[in-house]
Amino acid sequence: NAGVTQTPKFQVLKTGQSMTLQCAQDMNHEYMSWYRQDPGMGLRLIHYSVGAGITDQGEVPNGYNVSRSTTEDFPLRLLSAAPSQTSVYFCASSSPGNYGYTFGSGTRLTVV
Amino acid sequence: GQQLNQSPQSMFIQEGEDVSMNCTSSSIFNTWLWYKQEPGEGPVLLIALYKAGELTSNGRLTAQFGITRKDSFLNISASIPSDVGIYFCAGPTGANSKLTFGKGITLSVRP
Repeated sequence: NAGVTQTPKFQVLKTGQSMTLQCAQDMNHEYMSWYRQDPGMGLRLIHYSVGAGITDQGEVPNGYNVSRSTTEDFPLRLLSAAPSQTSVYFCASSSPGNYGYTFGSGTRLTVV
Repeated sequence: GQQLNQSPQSMFIQEGEDVSMNCTSSSIFNTWLWYKQEPGEGPVLLIALYKAGELTSNGRLTAQFGITRKDSFLNISASIPSDVGIYFCAGPTGANSKLTFGKGITLSVRP
């Protein structure tokens, strides 16, 4: 029972570099989301998807791109990393109408 | 957008004590959720509340959906060291199960 798998767990980037945070779920959930967690800020929604081919912006989408080509995968792309993107990133999934999100264990990203 | 307010940011209690935390909003929510995040992990759902006035328990945890639909409460009884973590309230905003989270309360339990 893998649930939601995020890779990598840790990453250090230089300003201006690009990378993709991977998220995969094996529960056939239609809904997937990306959140970032910063001290004292709680969890803020970056992007979400209600199914393959459908994505939308959340509260803090700037600097991030997503696509959803399959039900299982929802990668988050940073095109040009900035220090302000230093954070812990969580991917979550759920079924329609079910607010009990399943979260991955997070990716800790540092941009220097 | 809709915001969920949790305070204080941190709470320190003695093992065996009960603790209560609340979550408030200026907007009405039709569902209230409480999550717990342990160090190095993602949040895990503790309790979901779907009806105003509802009181739901999960072991030593009890949560209530406020009558006004603008608040919710989480109580932990007889705390133990493994209760340490960040407790988030959350509620759906907009369509499609989008969740808004409060900023969380970090709970520390002294043995």
